[in-house]
Amino acid sequence: GNSVTQMEGPVTLSEEAFLTINCTYTATGYPSLFWYVQYPGEGLQLLLKATKADDKGSNKGFEATYRKETTSFHLEKGSVQVSDSAVYFCALRGEDTGRRALTFGSGTRLQVQP
Amino acid sequence: EAQVTQNPRYLITVTGKKLTVTCSQNMNHEYMSWYRQDPGLGLRQIYYSMNVEVTDKGDVPEGYKVSRKEKRNFPLILESPSPNQTSLYFCASSLRPREKAFFGQGTRLTVV
Repeated sequence: GNSVTQMEGPVTLSEEAFLTINCTYTATGYPSLFWYVQYPGEGLQLLLKATKADDKGSNKGFEATYRKETTSFHLEKGSVQVSDSAVYFCALRGEDTGRRALTFGSGTRLQVQP
Repeated sequence: EAQVTQNPRYLITVTGKKLTVTCSQNMNHEYMSWYRQDPGLGLRQIYYSMNVEVTDKGDVPEGYKVSRKEKRNFPLILESPSPNQTSLYFCASSLRPREKAFFGQGTRLTVV
């Protein structure tokens, strides 16, 4: 079945540091890949997505590239801010998922210190 | 404003006492689903609904029921809650399954 593995947190960075959160997946065919962000006390929000190999999703300074050869979708940001502190979830929806769910990773908590 | 609204936000209950968590969306979305979020496990789908009167099990449906009598509402029902259902619950909706999902703010349920 489909699965998503992401690095365990928490990840603690200083403001303006470079961020990478690793995400790898297992799925047949060509799944769609997503990053969701959950700010404290809120629900999940879609941050970015990519629907085919070599696509780059980007939003709010965050980027992730769909790498079919390494089955990865790592999240990066060049300069983090305190306001980026949140939990980040990598997720996929497989080609064969049909009506069913997004498959989520376990989440990575990011803490950015001033 | 497009939104998914869950109620209540917080609930503490006792084992065996039936409860309902409501979910409502104002975007005329066809697809709605319930997830639970547990530490180290991410989000797991409980039930989903393709449209009115069409519901199906997700990955962890045991102990839960749902109904979809109207397009905008998708309540989650725990007939006899148990402590292992203590979790953070999210409702989500999208126009279709592969479209962007909008999430509610979550309901933190504690069963003692």
